Amino acid sequence: TQLLEQSPQFLSIQEGENLTVYCNSSSVFSSLQWYRQEPGEGPVLLVTVVTGGEVKKLKRLTFQFGDARKDSSLHITAAQPGDTGLYLCAGARNYGGSQGNLIFGKGTKLSVKP
Amino acid sequence: EAGVAQSPRYKIIEKRQSVAFWCNPISGHATLYWYQQILGQGPKLLIQFQNNGVVDDSQLPKDRFSAERLKGVDSTLKIQPAKLEDSAVYLCASSLAYRVAGELFFGEGSRLTVL
Repeated sequence: TQLLEQSPQFLSIQEGENLTVYCNSSSVFSSLQWYRQEPGEGPVLLVTVVTGGEVKKLKRLTFQFGDARKDSSLHITAAQPGDTGLYLCAGARNYGGSQGNLIFGKGTKLSVKP
Repeated sequence: EAGVAQSPRYKIIEKRQSVAFWCNPISGHATLYWYQQILGQGPKLLIQFQNNGVVDDSQLPKDRFSAERLKGVDSTLKIQPAKLEDSAVYLCASSLAYRVAGELFFGEGSRLTVL
């Protein structure tokens, strides 16, 4: 069974601080996605990384896919209260060119206080 | 563009009762998923449809859960009889078919409480 482990599970910081969230697995994934979920809402895609070593930036968010495609990290610079939410990583293994099932981690619950 | 629609948003039932959830995916999305998200955990795939065919239902508890997508558009997920451990948010998602690393679009979810 593939497992995606996310750490930390909870994170409470002050506005303006930097943070890094990790997503680790013993399995190789063809791609990895990061979603953010707010209370009462479904997850919303932030980014997809597909190449080992790939780095993607989305404003103050920086995503990195490990060289071996087994792990990923999300770094937020100068966090703002609007960044508050549950951050989920999800790994995909493709079968015959179609997207296989996404395996989700348990998420990191981030709270940014003003 | 309209998003994924789900209903009801909330449902409270007693154990051993039955419940049904409905999902209408984004127009043109051939792939539809049902996920179960228990409080404090990430979503777990229950079933994946490609048009009206089942691609993966390996994690669906088939003794009590059933799902259908008869015309390849709307889908219904049913639980009968419900157990306490079925309390969760049931998320429906859709995506374009056969897209490598494609995006999943989620609905707001249906929160089920089993008493």
